[in-house]
Amino acid sequence: GAGVSQSPRYKVAKRGQDVALRCDPISGHVSLFWYQQALGQGPEFLTYFQNEAQLDKSGLPSDRFFAERPEGSVSTLKIQRTQQEDSAVYLCASSSRWELFFGEGSRLTVL
Amino acid sequence: GQQLNQSPQSMFIQEGEDVSMNCTSSSIFNTWLWYKQDPGEGPVLLIALYKAGELTSNGRLTAQFGITRKDSFLNISASIPSDVGIYFCAGADSGGSNYKLTFGKGTLLTVNP
Repeated sequence: GAGVSQSPRYKVAKRGQDVALRCDPISGHVSLFWYQQALGQGPEFLTYFQNEAQLDKSGLPSDRFFAERPEGSVSTLKIQRTQQEDSAVYLCASSSRWELFFGEGSRLTVL
Repeated sequence: GQQLNQSPQSMFIQEGEDVSMNCTSSSIFNTWLWYKQDPGEGPVLLIALYKAGELTSNGRLTAQFGITRKDSFLNISASIPSDVGIYFCAGADSGGSNYKLTFGKGTLLTVNP
């Protein structure tokens, strides 16, 4: 597709459930990023991939968060044993140089 | 960690008015970016600034990279209703982690027709 595609757009999870969020970056984009955006806040960096290599995961809030990009294209952000504080919009972005192209985000609500 | 202070938090203006918003940082950035986010959408890049002192325009938008590299402003001239949205500044680190963006908390712009 023309842009970054994320799914699901909306996810409601019960506390303690595991969730998986998918990102399809723009074809050919080497770099892929995950950001977390809490309500009323700006996006905050979670992790960065260059091709299949996860070069920076310093923004992941806990070891319940795990991201992968096994073939250097599609990426999955997995959150285990979700907590209420995990409720946020999770944005994926890809880039070939400087400009980050963001997807529409996956809004996660943990009850 | 690095923090960006973005102001104002919100603005209510009449169509046709000019708008100015700014960001300041506690540390130096080597790139400043301005994004707009509409409800339910991801942020979209408006303007990118790469050099201290740089002044760049994109249509009715003008942005400047401060000389100290710790601040930036965005001006919108002759606002129109579709300018409504949340505007974010973002800075990229100098040094080895220059891929990582730090975002401000955003300025919510409302334009009354």
